[in-house]
Amino acid sequence: EAQVTQNPRYLITVTGKKLTVTCSQNMNHEYMSWYRQDPGLGLRQIYYSMNVEVTDKGDVPEGYKVSRKEKRNFPLILESPSPNQTSLYFCASSLILSTDTQYFGPGTRLTVL
Amino acid sequence: AQSVAQPEDQVNVAEGNPLTVKCTYSVSGNPYLFWYVQYPNRGLQFLLKYITGDNLVKGSYGFEAEFNKSQTSFHLKKPSALVSDSALYFCAVRVSSGLYNFNKFYFGSGTKLNVKP
Repeated sequence: EAQVTQNPRYLITVTGKKLTVTCSQNMNHEYMSWYRQDPGLGLRQIYYSMNVEVTDKGDVPEGYKVSRKEKRNFPLILESPSPNQTSLYFCASSLILSTDTQYFGPGTRLTVL
Repeated sequence: AQSVAQPEDQVNVAEGNPLTVKCTYSVSGNPYLFWYVQYPNRGLQFLLKYITGDNLVKGSYGFEAEFNKSQTSFHLKKPSALVSDSALYFCAVRVSSGLYNFNKFYFGSGTKLNVKP
């Protein structure tokens, strides 16, 4: 089954404790992206990647890091989480063309205390 | 600056009536427009997209959307709403930017559709 998986689905952590949210897709998609969803703000793009070792900032990259060492994986790293990063995070992937739709993962709900 | 606006936080409609969820955009260049739907505790699912050609685009579950270039709008429509259509709907635009023609996505704030029996 074609899918995007994220782990963990739920995470409660404390300020400053480094964490990683994993994202994996099995569709051989070149394009992958991370979003955060906040009430009233919709989805905002954090980082995206056009292919292995090729990443770029989205609209809200501050406080986040990403890496793309393999085509299927695109982890999101929070080196020193803060409470304002409490949010619902989605990973998505698509083929490389602008016309292609994105497939979204189930989401990771992160709470930073 | 690129932006997408969904002016209604919530739309209420009776089952069987037509529905419209509004979306306007402001981007440089030619936009690629999308609608996604989100059910509770789920990720977003693709509904339909406009790339080029016919301004009326048909998508999943009987939804359609009309691209209006002069009004920079891409409203989502359905002739007859179902209770099961109740969900959160997002309009999105994909634009090219950056040195390597990378692609960014911009989403609206979402519109909650309530369809009552």
